[in-house]
Amino acid sequence: GAGVSQTPSNKVTEKGKYVELRCDPISGHTALYWYRQSLGQGPEFLIYFQGTGAADDSGLPNDRFFAVRPEGSVSTLKIQRTERGDSAVYLCASSLDGRDNNEQFFGPGTRLTVL
Amino acid sequence: DAKTTQPNSMESNEEEPVHLPCNHSTISGTDYIHWYRQLPSQGPEYVIHGLTSNVNNRMASLAIAEDRKSSTLILHRATLRDAAVYYCILIRRSSNTGKLIFGQGTTLQVKP
Repeated sequence: GAGVSQTPSNKVTEKGKYVELRCDPISGHTALYWYRQSLGQGPEFLIYFQGTGAADDSGLPNDRFFAVRPEGSVSTLKIQRTERGDSAVYLCASSLDGRDNNEQFFGPGTRLTVL
Repeated sequence: DAKTTQPNSMESNEEEPVHLPCNHSTISGTDYIHWYRQLPSQGPEYVIHGLTSNVNNRMASLAIAEDRKSSTLILHRATLRDAAVYYCILIRRSSNTGKLIFGQGTTLQVKP
């Protein structure tokens, strides 16, 4: 079956602009995660959705970052007033139901470059 | 959250076994030990997890010390495709999120 997909694969934007990154999880997975990975570092947790609701958004760095999952499937990560420090690979993952031992399946990521 | 410590890098020869260590001296009795790996230019992928007993699957084996303060991921015959960053991660049982807290991981190089 299809895995987790993310679009676009690459996004180049200018400082101050608004961007949206999309994640299509595996069908039937109720849990969805966003992570951010800077060069040479491990992925860093941003936000977790269980169904339509954000159950844990403790990793969002500031209020410029927001994510939605209105129908409990596709999710969009939104970044306002982008800064050069936002440049990173943004990874999305889904799992069956978010329980502690469920395997997370990752997408290939969106590489965001803020000029 | 309990912390894990891994060597920054390791090297192996192709078709030889690889033992990747992880120290987690502050692990609690309810923490599961998970391993993920990340191949170049890809998202991470699940490898294996365990609680107390050693575990085997088609990808690898996980050996857990009796006191659970350390564990070892074993690749029985390394291939070039196993060159990746390997992450050892602890997840609290009954965690209500299952979120993964990644460290720096171990970069494994496999030489032909």
